[in-house]
This record gives sequence, structure tokens and C-alpha cells, in this order.
Amino acid sequence: GAVVSQHPSRVICKSGTSVKIECRSLDFQATTMFWYRQFPKQSLMLMATSNEGSKATYEQGVEKDKFLINHASLTLSTLTVTSAHPEDSSFYICSARFISTDKQYFGPGTRLTVL
Amino acid sequence: GNSVTQMEGPVTLSEEAFLTINCTYTATGYPSLFWYVQYPGEGLQLLLKATKADDKGSNKGFEATYRKETTSFHLEKGSVQVSDSAVYFCALSDGAGGTSYGKLTFGQGTILTVHP
Repeated sequence: GAVVSQHPSRVICKSGTSVKIECRSLDFQATTMFWYRQFPKQSLMLMATSNEGSKATYEQGVEKDKFLINHASLTLSTLTVTSAHPEDSSFYICSARFISTDKQYFGPGTRLTVL
Repeated sequence: GNSVTQMEGPVTLSEEAFLTINCTYTATGYPSLFWYVQYPGEGLQLLLKATKADDKGSNKGFEATYRKETTSFHLEKGSVQVSDSAVYFCALSDGAGGTSYGKLTFGQGTILTVHP
């Protein structure tokens, strides 16, 4: 089946630094990728929709300048958390929509801890 | 806006027990409904889906029926196995853009543990 990877799987950083998370579709092309955030014991919250070659569409309440999304190719989207703070600590999950079948496939997630 | 409410967990069952995880939703229009499963250390996987009222989605012994009158999509399995231990998410898509896999709204997830 279609595989989506995320890198890194875990990252610990100091407050004030920036962290980049990669989301790759390994064996299919994805014009659209989605970024979610998951808090402990809570549901996934959609942060933004990333379309290849265009600007991301952010959900209400998500800071565009803090969560920079780039979707430079049909197989790669990146989320950069800029000037990270402890409240940004969370589990970030991406999904990619397969052009041919229209289905969404999810990555395994990235655990971000900001000290 | 759209919302999904799942029964609170965690749920602990013995092998071969009957499973029900309740899910209700609020949405405008005619959403598509999904159940996703997340095994430890893995990404969410689509378990089953239904795209219109009275549709029944089924996969791996799991079933769920799209009930528009009660705005529900409860997940059931007649006999669970240890390998079913995972987190289960109910979700809906508003179908915007003509796709049933558009923006997803998730429930909070239900942790299922099955003991031998």
C-alpha cells in the first residue's frame, strides 16, 4: 500500500530554536498534503492544507508565521516550527492524498518536545 | 462547524468479546464518515468508510453503518482479537471539492486493549 514517512520521528529542542519536520510520500505522488496536531488524549486537529506549488491554506487560529509549510514537490512537504516554545510541544502528523485514488494516507507522526 | 464525538476510553476487553465504539457527528450537508485505526508506532490507517446514509462499511470483521437519522456511525466487531488492540478514530469529511477524502474532522480517539 501507499506509504508516507515523517522525519524525524522524535525531536527535542531548546526554546527559541526552529525545527523542520519532513513528510514524504514514498511510492506515490500527492498534490495535497495535510498537517495535523494531536494533543495527549485529544483528537487530531487540522492545522493546514498544503498544495504542491502553491501557498498552504491554514485553519482558523493557526499562526502562519509560526508554522511555515512548504510543498515543493509532489512527494515532499515540510513543516517548520519557528521560534519554538514549550506550548508547541505536541505530536505532529501529516497525511498525503494520492492523486489516482483520492485516498489519504497518514505518516507515523513526529513527537516534538520543546524545553 | 463540523464535529465528531466518540465514546470515551480506554476500552478493555477479553479476546472474543463483542466490541462497540460509539461515534456521533454534527455536520452540514452530506459528509462521508470514516473509521481510522492507529497501531502502536504506526500512522493512521483507514479501517472502513461510508459515503451516504444507510451505507455499511466493513473491513477485517469490523462494521459501521451510516445512520443519518441518529447522526451516528458506531463501530462494531463480533469477536475481537489481541491484534485489534489499537487506537480507533472516527472522522468525517465534508466532501468539499468533490472528494470524499477532503478535510477530515476527527473524534478524540478510543484506546482499545484486548487481553488473551
